[in-house]
Amino acid sequence: EAQVTQNPRYLITVTGKKLTVTCSQNMNHEYMSWYRQDPGLGLRQIYYSMNVEVTDKGDVPEGYKVSRKEKRNFPLILESPSPNQTSLYFCASSASDRGSYEQYFGPGTRLTVT
Amino acid sequence: KNQVEQSPQSLIILEGKNCTLQCNYTVSPFSNLRWYKQDTGRGPVSLTIMTFSENTKSNGRYTATLDADTKQSSLHITASQLSDSASYICVVSEWGGYNKLIFGAGTRLAVHP
Repeated sequence: EAQVTQNPRYLITVTGKKLTVTCSQNMNHEYMSWYRQDPGLGLRQIYYSMNVEVTDKGDVPEGYKVSRKEKRNFPLILESPSPNQTSLYFCASSASDRGSYEQYFGPGTRLTVT
Repeated sequence: KNQVEQSPQSLIILEGKNCTLQCNYTVSPFSNLRWYKQDTGRGPVSLTIMTFSENTKSNGRYTATLDADTKQSSLHITASQLSDSASYICVVSEWGGYNKLIFGAGTRLAVHP
């Protein structure tokens, strides 16, 4: 089954404790991205990747890092989480960033930073 | 500034009734417009994608319209079901170096029996 998986689905952590949220897709997609979703706001892009070893900042990259060492994986790293990073995070992938290619979203990771 | 605005913010309807959700955008240059359905606690799932030349597209009981001149879109849901209770998100793609997606805040629909 074609899918995007994220782990963990739920995470409660404390300020400053480094964490990684994993994202994996099994569709051989080139394009992957991370979003955060906060109440009353649309999804906002954190980082995106056009292909292996090619990443770039989205609209809200501060406090986050990413890497794309393999085509299928695109982990999101919070080196020193802060309470304002409490949010619902989605990973997404598509065959291309161009045209009308479908974007597939993962199930989400709900992060709480205390 | 490129923006996508949706109305209403929330809506309650009775099962079996129809409803229409609105989306206005200021994104330019325009590439395409998508409607997603997001169930509570789940990732968004695509309903329709429309390019500049398309003015209507259906997916079962969901029908999206696009007026590229007025920069407006609507999503019409026919004969609503309890399972239609979800948030509906309008997303406009900006044509450029890469296909940047700009998301609306969504309309939260509740279908009551």
